[in-house]
Amino acid sequence: EAQVTQNPRYLITVTGKKLTVTCSQNMNHEYMSWYRQDPGLGLRQIYYSMNVEVTDKGDVPEGYKVSRKEKRNFPLILESPSPNQTSLYFCASSLSATGGPGELFFGEGSRLTVL
Amino acid sequence: GDSVTQMEGPVTLSEEAFLTINCTYTATGYPSLFWYVQYPGEGLQLLLKATKADDKGSNKGFEATYRKETTSFHLEKGSVQVSDSAVYFCALTQGEYGNKLVFGAGTILRVKS
Repeated sequence: EAQVTQNPRYLITVTGKKLTVTCSQNMNHEYMSWYRQDPGLGLRQIYYSMNVEVTDKGDVPEGYKVSRKEKRNFPLILESPSPNQTSLYFCASSLSATGGPGELFFGEGSRLTVL
Repeated sequence: GDSVTQMEGPVTLSEEAFLTINCTYTATGYPSLFWYVQYPGEGLQLLLKATKADDKGSNKGFEATYRKETTSFHLEKGSVQVSDSAVYFCALTQGEYGNKLVFGAGTILRVKS
């Protein structure tokens, strides 16, 4: 089954404790992206990747890191989480990075709480 | 910068009522427009899209027409069902390759039986 898988789905952590949210897709998609969803703000892009080893900042990259060593994986790293990073995070992918407006496929989301 | 404005919710309707969720946008160039739907506890999924002016996207009884003159992409459905209860996001493409999506804040739809 074609899917985007995120882990963990739920996490409560404390300020300053490094964490990684993993994202994996099995559709051989070139493009992957991370969004955060906050009430009243919709989804805002954190980072995106056009292909392996190619990543770039989105609208709200502060406090986050990403890497794209393999095509299927795109982990989101919070080196020193703070309470303002409490949010619902979505990983998404699409087939083509340069072929125009393709459909984004989303994971089920990871709800992160930073105390 | 580019942006999307959706009507505030929640929108509460009775089953079989007519639905309109308003969406207007501000963009440079000619973006593609999308409606995504998020059911409770799930990620977003594409509902419909339109890639140029006057295009109509449709799916599962929902429709939206790309209106360049009014910069709008309103979502409509003639007869809603309880199963349509979800959050609906309007979005547009941005960037050199058109892969970045800019989302509206989302509109909660609640349908009562």
